[in-house]
Amino acid sequence: GAGVSQSPSNKVTEKGKDVELRCDPISGHTALYWYRQSLGQGLEFLIYFQGNSAPDKSGLPSDRFSAERTGGSVSTLTIQRTQQEDSAVYLCASSLVGPGRGNTIYFGEGSWLTVV
Amino acid sequence: TQLLEQSPQFLSIQEGENLTVYCNSSSVFSSLQWYRQEPGEGPVLLVTVVTGGEVKKLKRLTFQFGDARKDSSLHITAAQPGDTGLYLCAGVKGGGSNYKLTFGKGTLLTVNP
Repeated sequence: GAGVSQSPSNKVTEKGKDVELRCDPISGHTALYWYRQSLGQGLEFLIYFQGNSAPDKSGLPSDRFSAERTGGSVSTLTIQRTQQEDSAVYLCASSLVGPGRGNTIYFGEGSWLTVV
Repeated sequence: TQLLEQSPQFLSIQEGENLTVYCNSSSVFSSLQWYRQEPGEGPVLLVTVVTGGEVKKLKRLTFQFGDARKDSSLHITAAQPGDTGLYLCAGVKGGGSNYKLTFGKGTLLTVNP
């Protein structure tokens, strides 16, 4: 596609339920990133994929969070047993090659998650 | 502790005014990026500054990287309502699997007609 596509754009879920957020990166982009943006907190790094592998999972807040990427393309971020503090905008981004200072990262519009 | 401190957090000005926003850190970065984010959208890269002391201009926007590569500023001349948005700075460290892109909390700019 022309840009990074994320779904759903908005999700309201009950506390304790599991949610899956999907990201379709720009076609041909090998690197994929997940960030979380909470009100007043800026963007928080969660995980990055190079191809299907995740060299850096250090940002995942807890073991309730997991992510996978298949076929070097689509990625899914799963949050199990959601808590109210998980409410945030989850942003996916992709870049043509691996991360580096000369590489432009393109963000999707985000998935707005509200846990009630 | 926030690695990158942005100031001011909020800024509301009238069309035609000039403004400067700041991004400060005690850490050294290999490069620093500025993004603009509009409501309901993801951040969009405006510029990357790499060399200490570097100045880049993008129309009415002037970006400067500090000599020590720890801080940066964004100056907007004759602001317009279309400049309204959240301005985020992001510091880059490392590369490959050690790559880190760390964002500040942003400056929310409102330019009133």
